Amino acid sequence: LAKTTQPISMDSYEGQEVNITCSHNNIATNDYITWYQQFPSQGPRFIIQGYKTKVTNEVASLFIPADRKSSTLSLPRVSLSDTAVYYCLVGRSYSSASKIIFGSGTRLSIRP
Amino acid sequence: GAGVSQSPSNKVTEKGKDVELRCDPISGHTALYWYRQSLGQGLEFLIYFQGNSAPDKSGLPSDRFSAERTGGSVSTLTIQRTQQEDSAVYLCASSLALNSGVVTDTQYFGPGTRLTVL
Repeated sequence: LAKTTQPISMDSYEGQEVNITCSHNNIATNDYITWYQQFPSQGPRFIIQGYKTKVTNEVASLFIPADRKSSTLSLPRVSLSDTAVYYCLVGRSYSSASKIIFGSGTRLSIRP
Repeated sequence: GAGVSQSPSNKVTEKGKDVELRCDPISGHTALYWYRQSLGQGLEFLIYFQGNSAPDKSGLPSDRFSAERTGGSVSTLTIQRTQQEDSAVYLCASSLALNSGVVTDTQYFGPGTRLTVL
């Protein structure tokens, strides 16, 4: 699986748009990019997944440039409840030669 | 349907004791995963099952750790002769049918078991 790099932490304010970028220089052709959100004392929760260009759902948007070596999770008009750790995961299959690497994630803090 | 459940939610044990952690995946999910998360840290992948089979056990931290899954459903993670460094939250996740080479499945996580080794 491709190794990912994210900022350790980010701060923002309520109502702002927040963009979290994940670098994955070694992404493979068939790899997809998935983002998870984790609140304290809970397991991670799926946010969004994409392969290329742009994906949007009711929660977030995911922007993936043509070279796919990075991706940006965009959270529109954040609120205090968006304070959480966000993980970028890149991968395709969990074969016998693979391990799933979530990385350390980005700790997002939203202030009033 | 219910989500992924794990039991116990909290477990306090003494150093040297064995512990068993249980995971009930979402019904119909054939893939099951175990992770470990130390305080303030990211997720450490331990092992995954496709059906009852675990293709790769190299993620288990030591030979004190073992996992099994029976009937393609419930899984147990066993830690023998627990050590203080085993203290962590153990998370289980499940996902739909997963074949090698197919799109990364969305994983649905349980609430975790907080293990404290005194």
